[in-house]
Amino acid sequence: EAGVAQSPRYKIIEKRQSVAFWCNPISGHATLYWYQQILGQGPKLLIQFQNNGVVDDSQLPKDRFSAERLKGVDSTLKIQPAKLEDSAVYLCASSLDRWGGKETQYFGPGTRLLVL
Amino acid sequence: AQKITQTQPGMFVQEKEAVTLDCTYDTSDQSYGLFWYKQPSSGEMIFLIYQGSYDEQNATEGRYSLNFQKARKSANLVISASQLGDSAMYFCAIQGADKLIFGTGTRLQVFP
Repeated sequence: EAGVAQSPRYKIIEKRQSVAFWCNPISGHATLYWYQQILGQGPKLLIQFQNNGVVDDSQLPKDRFSAERLKGVDSTLKIQPAKLEDSAVYLCASSLDRWGGKETQYFGPGTRLLVL
Repeated sequence: AQKITQTQPGMFVQEKEAVTLDCTYDTSDQSYGLFWYKQPSSGEMIFLIYQGSYDEQNATEGRYSLNFQKARKSANLVISASQLGDSAMYFCAIQGADKLIFGTGTRLQVFP
C-alpha cells in the first residue's frame, strides 16, 4: 500500500513570494491533515479535512494561508505572501476515519520550506 | 485543553540496551488515545504505537512497548534491544475529542 505522498520535498523562496504544497493521501483515507513543524518543536495542526469539507482550521493563519481538497482526495496548501517565520517543515497526514479517541494518522515525508 | 510534556531533550543508549523515553500528559477528556511517533532525519513521522485510555493492557509492538500509568498520567515508551537505526526524534502525542497534540520530542542517539 502506497503511503502519503508530498511534493516538493524542498522549497526555497524569498519573503513576500507565494508557494504551494501538494499532498496525496493513502487511498481510501477520508481525513487529511496539514501540519506545520517549526525547528525544535512538535507538529502543529493547521487544517483538517473530512472528505472535501473543513473540520478544523482554527490554527490556520487565514490572512496568508489557504488550503483546499477538491474531490476529497488530493490537497493543496498555499502560502501567499510568505514571511520569514513560515520557514518550517509542512507535513501532510491522513487517517482512515475517526471514532472515539482513536485516530492513527499516517504522515508523508514533508516539505521543507525556507523563506529568505 | 490537552498537553504533552517530554522532559528529556536528548537521550543516549548503547546498542542492544533498553531505553525509556518519558511522556506525561494532561487532558480533561475521559476517552483519549496516546501515540508515539519516530521522526528520522529524513523528516517523515513514523507511527510506532498506540494506547487507548480504556485499554487495560499496556500496548506492545515488536521492540516497542508503552508503559501506561493512567493515575500518574504517564505514557512512557520503552525500546528494547536498541539498534543504530533507532537514532531519531521521538514524539509523544495525545488525541481526545479534539486535535492531535504533540510534545516537543526527545532526540535518541544509539551508539555502538
